[in-house]
Formats: sequence, C-alpha cells, structure tokens
Amino acid sequence: DIQMTQSPSSLSASIGDRVTITCRASQSISTYLNWYQQKSGKPPKLLIFGASSLQSGVPSRFSGSGSGTDFTLTITSLQPEDFATYYCQQSYGLAGFGQGTNLDI
Amino acid sequence: QVQLVESGGGVVQPGMSLSLSCATSGFTFSLYGMHWVRQAPGKGLEWLSLIWYDGHDKYYADSVKGRFTISRDDAKNTVSLQLNSLRAEDTAVYYCARDRSTYSSSFGLDSWGQGTLVTVSS
Repeated sequence: DIQMTQSPSSLSASIGDRVTITCRASQSISTYLNWYQQKSGKPPKLLIFGASSLQSGVPSRFSGSGSGTDFTLTITSLQPEDFATYYCQQSYGLAGFGQGTNLDI
Repeated sequence: QVQLVESGGGVVQPGMSLSLSCATSGFTFSLYGMHWVRQAPGKGLEWLSLIWYDGHDKYYADSVKGRFTISRDDAKNTVSLQLNSLRAEDTAVYYCARDRSTYSSSFGLDSWGQGTLVTVSS
C-alpha cells in the first residue's frame, strides 16, 4: 500500500498569510495526487486534482505542485473561510489519504 | 445538480451487520466509479472501497476486506455498502463519493454525500 504523510499536522496562520502544506508518498505516484478541504461537520471538498489542476469553482489563491513523491498545497493570502482541515489523497493505486493538516487562526 | 444522499446508518452491536445506501441524481451514474470513505469521530479520512463504473471491478481497504461488500444498481442510480462483522472501530461517518472523471478513478472525488453515522456499540 502507498502511504501518504502530510506535514505539518497542524498550522496556525493569520488572515493574508501564505501557507504551504506538504504531502509525501511512500513511492512515486507521478502526479496522481489530489487535495481536499474539510470544514467541521461537512464532507470534504476537492480543491486540486492531478497535483496542480484547480477544480472548478475553487479560488485561484489555492495552488498545487509536485510530482513523484513530494507535493505541496499553497494558499496565498489566507481568507477567513480557508481555516479548515486539508487532506492529500493519492489516486495512483487504491486511494489513500494523508492524515490531515488542521489550519487554524 | 449532482446529489448524493446516504442512508442506512444507525446503532448496531458488535458482530452485527448493516447496509448503507447512497442515492444519486443529476448525472449519468453508469459512467462513474463510486467510492465509500469513512471518518471516525475526531479522526481523518479513510478510503474504504471503490466500484468501477461498469461494476466489474471492486476494491477494498485491507481494514474492511472480507467484511464489507460494495455494489451498485445502475437502474436505481444507487451504490451500496454491506457492512458485516462490525467492530467498535468501525464507528464512523460513512460518505459515498463520485469519481471526478468518467471511466477513471485517477483524478479525485468531486462530489460527496453528507454522510451517515454508524455507531457500533454494545
């Protein structure tokens, strides 16, 4: 099984900050990496697919990069609605999620 | 618009069974792979199972293999998950989700239901 490791597990930031979340795969997954945002009590929301493609309707302050084993999600100019938990997910093999990164104020 | 609505959750005793269903609408169901994902209270997301768009291939996480069974009914636009031999650690919100792309499970899950809570407790 492919293991996904996110860092950090939690992150504090302020409105307007630029933040980066990292996801590492235990083996190469090419660009089969997706990012989700989840707010409390809600289902996850797809933000980025294929490592760097922005899902329709997602603000352009969200971006993704990487290939192989190392990936990043970057949020520029944090907005109040961005404080949430973020998950990476590989879709190279059987889908698996990282453990999540809690982004709070 | 795309809608997914799970049902069937509840409280069950360890060792018992439960059947979850996900009713979908707003898209051509037979073109998409469908997944089940769960989230234990206060924990992260755990992928459980995938059924291909044509129903011919089914995949499971090791944690549920042999106990859970996924199926689909294209005539009713529903995907189901049969949960057998339930354990306390199966307590979670169970979500169904749709592949973002037709005929492919490689590009994320773009539509999710609101989830149904399964509680396994004596």
